[in-house]
Amino acid sequence: DIQMTQSPSSLSASVGDRVTITCRASESINNYLKWYHQKPGKAPELLIYSASSLEDGVPSRFSGSGSGTDFTLTISSLQPEDFATYYCQQSFSFPYTFGQGTKLDIK
Amino acid sequence: QVQLQESGPGLVKPSETLSLTCTVSGGSISGYYWSWIRQPPGKGLEWIGYIYYSGSTNYNPSLRSRVTMSVDMSENQFSLKLTSVTAADTAVYYCAREPRYWGQGTLVTVSS
Repeated sequence: DIQMTQSPSSLSASVGDRVTITCRASESINNYLKWYHQKPGKAPELLIYSASSLEDGVPSRFSGSGSGTDFTLTISSLQPEDFATYYCQQSFSFPYTFGQGTKLDIK
Repeated sequence: QVQLQESGPGLVKPSETLSLTCTVSGGSISGYYWSWIRQPPGKGLEWIGYIYYSGSTNYNPSLRSRVTMSVDMSENQFSLKLTSVTAADTAVYYCAREPRYWGQGTLVTVSS
């Protein structure tokens, strides 16, 4: 299985901050990388697919980059609704695997 | 707008079989892959597998010996069976048409 490792595991930040979360794959996954966020009691919601493509309806403050094994999710200016847990997922090979999550909370 | 809704028992006894159904509305099952993902309380996401509308499947090897997925096109539903459950199978189970459409999730607790 391809292991996905996110860092940090948790992060405290303020509204308006710029935040970056990283995701590293244990082997190359090309650009088969998605980012989700998940709020308590809710299903994950897609933010980014193909490593850098913004899902329809997702604010432009979210951006993704990377290819191969190293990927980043950046939120340019945190808004109150962005405090959530973020997951990366690879869909390059089976079984699809997720990172362990990054919990973003309010400083 | 495609919507998915999980249904099934919220409590299953150890060693028994967990059975869940996902009903799809706002679109047809035909032509798509349909997934199950689970999340133990307070933990991360685990991909269980998917079934194509035609019936072909791909399961996570860690669960393959215990998992069966099926599709009922006449009811626009697909299902998950997980046999010989233990407390480690306690989780919120999501059905999804990855990556965009997910059900709200249903908590299944394994306990006697």
